Parts: sequence; C-alpha cells; structure tokens
Amino acid sequence: GAVVSQHPSRVICKSGTSVKIECRSLDFQATTMFWYRQFPKQSLMLMATSNEGSKATYEQGVEKDKFLINHASLTLSTLTVTSAHPEDSSFYICSASARQGDTIYFGEGSWLTVV
Amino acid sequence: LAKTTQPISMDSYEGQEVNITCSHNNIATNDYITWYQQFPSQGPRFIIQGYKTKVTNEVASLFIPADRKSSTLSLPRVSLSDTAVYYCLVSGAGSYQLTFGKGTKLSVIP
Repeated sequence: GAVVSQHPSRVICKSGTSVKIECRSLDFQATTMFWYRQFPKQSLMLMATSNEGSKATYEQGVEKDKFLINHASLTLSTLTVTSAHPEDSSFYICSASARQGDTIYFGEGSWLTVV
Repeated sequence: LAKTTQPISMDSYEGQEVNITCSHNNIATNDYITWYQQFPSQGPRFIIQGYKTKVTNEVASLFIPADRKSSTLSLPRVSLSDTAVYYCLVSGAGSYQLTFGKGTKLSVIP
C-alpha cells in the first residue's frame, strides 16, 4: 500500500511552547489529509480535514487556533500544537488520500508529551 | 455520516478463522468499506477494501451483503501476531467526515 510518514515519532516539549508534527505522503500526491488524536485504549478522534491549498476544516470542539494545520503541498501537511499544555499530551496520527473518496492510508503516529 | 458498530472484543485460538462483523446501516451509495489493523502506539494499517460482494487479498477476505448495511472481515488461520484492534471505516467521495467506531480488540490465544 501507499506510504505515509510522520515525523517526529516522539516529541517532548515544555508547557507553553509550540511543537510541529509533519505528515508526508511518500509515493503519492495527497489532495486530502486528515489529523487524528488518540488517547490510550480509545479510538481515533478526527480533529480536522485539510485539502491542499485550502484552509482545514475542523471538527466540532477542536480549537483551530491551538491546532494549526497547514497543507501547503500535495505531499506535506503539518500540525502545530501552539502553547502546549499537559492535557495536549496524546498520540497524533495523520492520514492521506490521493483524492476525496480514495483509499486512506495512515502515518505511524506521533507521541506528544507536554511537561 | 455512516456510523459503524463492531463488537468490542473477540478471542480466538491460534490457527482458527476469525470473522469480525461491522454494522453500517446508513452507508451511502458512494461509500466504500475499509478495514484497518492497529497495534499499540502505531497508526492503523490498511488491510482490505471493498464496495460489494466479496474481496480477497493475501491476508484477508471481506464479505459485503447486497444491502451493504454490514460487512465481515475474515482472517484465515490467525496467529499471535494478529492480536490487535481492528477498525472498519466507511468513507467515500461524499463523506467529508471520517468517524472511527470503537474497533474490535482481537486477542489470539496460543
């Protein structure tokens, strides 16, 4: 299947700082990318959907000013957690598809720990 | 928005066939059904995708009845390494929101 890569796989940051997570589609061009959050032993929770060159569409309850999503190219989307707090600590996963409606492939996930 | 319902957990012995069913009563005409496998601290891995009837690949089969209101993932002869959480996802060109159900935690017992 197609390859989606996330970086970093693990990151620790201090409370109040910002941290960026990258999501890359390595062997296809992704017009649509998705960001999820997953707490231990829970399902994935969709945070936002982004289409290349457009503003992201956030799910209800997700703060767009806190979780900045950029999808500037067909192979890269970034999630920036601004002014991070310990409660933002979680497993963040991205996914991508070539076109809306196509098969969705997931990245490896990124563990964020805010101390 | 197609909501999915799966059993929370299943146990199976090594070497047995495992069938996990997912209900998606309000699936849309353009929606596909995709199954993923997730290990702890990893992103979901694509297993199989289908639209109707039966699809088979090297790791699994997917059975979808004519009304498409459910689907069944079949894993032949499971091994310990198949212990994971399995999710079905219903999505399509008209589904802008992708909501995961709770998934099915499969435990393979030696």
